[in-house]
Amino acid sequence: AQKVTQAQTEISVVEKEDVTLDCVYETRDTTYYLFWYKQPPSGELVFLIRRNSFDEQNEISGRYSWNFQKSTSSFNFTITASQVVDSAVYFCALPANQGGKLIFGQGTELSVKP
Amino acid sequence: GAGVSQSPSNKVTEKGKDVELRCDPISGHTALYWYRQSLGQGLEFLIYFQGNSAPDKSGLPSDRFSAERTGGSVSTLTIQRTQQEDSAVYLCASSLDLLGPYEQYFGPGTRLTVT
Repeated sequence: AQKVTQAQTEISVVEKEDVTLDCVYETRDTTYYLFWYKQPPSGELVFLIRRNSFDEQNEISGRYSWNFQKSTSSFNFTITASQVVDSAVYFCALPANQGGKLIFGQGTELSVKP
Repeated sequence: GAGVSQSPSNKVTEKGKDVELRCDPISGHTALYWYRQSLGQGLEFLIYFQGNSAPDKSGLPSDRFSAERTGGSVSTLTIQRTQQEDSAVYLCASSLDLLGPYEQYFGPGTRLTVT
């Protein structure tokens, strides 16, 4: 069965620090996708990235970067030079099957203090 | 363009009453999902509609929960005889979902409180 584990429940950093959010997944599929979502205090889930298992290159988008390691079944998310606006709950997710429902991790609550 | 919209944003109901939650997906999105987010359970899948296919109801917690999607667009989630454990934020999402799992775009949610 598909499973996503985000072992870090809460992380607190000071502004400008780098922070990495861990995501470990389990799947029997040979081809799969992984997602990260952000849920700020306003509550609405915001899509951040979708990654195909064929593509193991790291992805960078501004201060955000993602490290996909198929060998360790991990898809970690790093925020460089964190800002207060990055404070949110971050979810890693894996589709239950092709084109279907998402299985979410429990989320990591990131608090960035000024 | 407009994102996913949900109504009402908040609903307070008495135990035993029925409630209807509405979701209006992004125009052109063929897939529509309902999830529930509660403190103890995290984000749980409830039901999934894809085009004209039979919906995937595997996440519905009991037969008090049902959903329909009319005309391939708007969806209504109905909870009958509400219980206190139904209190949660109900999230709707939509996606293209044509050739693989595209990203899902979420609405703002409906916060349901059963008293």
